Amino acid sequence: DAGVIQSPRHEVTEMGQEVTLRCKPISGHDYLFWYRQTMMRGLELLIYFNNNVPIDDSGMPEDRFSAKMPNASFSTLKIQPSEPRDSAVYFCASSLGSRETQYFGPGTRLLVL
Amino acid sequence: DQQVKQNSPSLSVQEGRISILNCDYTNSMFDYFLWYKKYPAEGPTFLISISSIKDKNEDGRFTVFLNKSAKHLSLHIVPSQPGDSAVYFCAKGAGSYQLTFGKGTKLSVIP
Repeated sequence: DAGVIQSPRHEVTEMGQEVTLRCKPISGHDYLFWYRQTMMRGLELLIYFNNNVPIDDSGMPEDRFSAKMPNASFSTLKIQPSEPRDSAVYFCASSLGSRETQYFGPGTRLLVL
Repeated sequence: DQQVKQNSPSLSVQEGRISILNCDYTNSMFDYFLWYKKYPAEGPTFLISISSIKDKNEDGRFTVFLNKSAKHLSLHIVPSQPGDSAVYFCAKGAGSYQLTFGKGTKLSVIP
């Protein structure tokens, strides 16, 4: 199994640009999570899906952030427009009906100049 | 409000000795705690968990202790190995599938 796949691994963009982060969960997993890691706030949950349906997006910081899961094998996190304070590492994770074991991808390191 | 606190940002331990990583929490509503390990340029990986009804869980060299009266959780690694050098995150789970993570403790095991 390839594990959770995220792309791109690194993204450098200028303030005001649109950024799209991509995630392919482990095949068969029914939960997908998006996290953000910063020095100030640590690892925080942004949004999670169950069977492609968003369940809780209370962690999404602003309306500039949006996430979609059009099918069971693909999800996107979009930031439009991006700001320097969005610079962070964004992780995607998936799980199979288990509250404990979430499998994380390698993350996307985003730098907004 | 930081519900899960890891007060030590870093810890250095000699190879073969015991590593003790600590975690405090402020909200008593939880079902389980977990520890995740993270290497540089990789995502966190699940290590061990403990249910709220237990006070100890052991898996090989890793043991997690839960002290509900003190609202304190600890992870013991014995013996420590250089490959254990990583950032360790404590996380709390309550009801739903949401996890609340601490900020992590960087463990360095010195050969």
